[in-house]
Amino acid sequence: EDQVTQSPEALRLQEGESSSLNCSYTVSGLRGLFWYRQDPGKGPEFLFTLYSAGEEKEKERLKATLTKKESFLHITAPKPEDSATYLCAFTTSGTYKYIFGTGTRLKVLA
Amino acid sequence: SAVISQKPSRDICQRGTSLTIQCQVDSQVTMMFWYRQQPGQSLTLIATANQGSEATYESGFVIDKFPISRPNLTFSTLTVSNMSPEDSSIYLCSVDGPFSTDTQYFGPGTRLTVL
Repeated sequence: EDQVTQSPEALRLQEGESSSLNCSYTVSGLRGLFWYRQDPGKGPEFLFTLYSAGEEKEKERLKATLTKKESFLHITAPKPEDSATYLCAFTTSGTYKYIFGTGTRLKVLA
Repeated sequence: SAVISQKPSRDICQRGTSLTIQCQVDSQVTMMFWYRQQPGQSLTLIATANQGSEATYESGFVIDKFPISRPNLTFSTLTVSNMSPEDSSIYLCSVDGPFSTDTQYFGPGTRLTVL
């Protein structure tokens, strides 16, 4: 069965303290791996799409990487405004259906 | 990316009633999706709505409970019928991207509370 697990469930960082969020997946025929940011009371905001192992994408303080079993969202020198829930999702070959993980709630303290 | 709006943004409804949620996009899109996000949980796909065809529902979701319309390429509605407190959730619509059908962009959501 295709599934995705995110860890940790929650993470508290001091401002400037870099860390990584993990998204582990078991998928037969990965089509795409997606990262979203969700602020309280809002819809998910698209961050990255990754398609193949070894692919990396960056945006400001965020970098997403992909291997055959997992994806990481690296946060470098985070700021309080990076506090949010980060969601990963995947699609499989032949479908556009997203399967979402349960997310990592990130809190960055000033 | 497309600009997506949803109406209402939130509502409080009585058990047994129905609520229709609207999703409007500022550009034509091929696919529109409806998700449910229950308190403290992640997103679960309810159905996929393509213009000109019947919506495709995921396991556990049925048309009688969640009828969907897709009258054109910029608009869709989701109705939550005969509501119970278990239907209290955030309902989100999403659309496929202008340059890639793989990437979805989400609306702001409708927060529904059923008493």
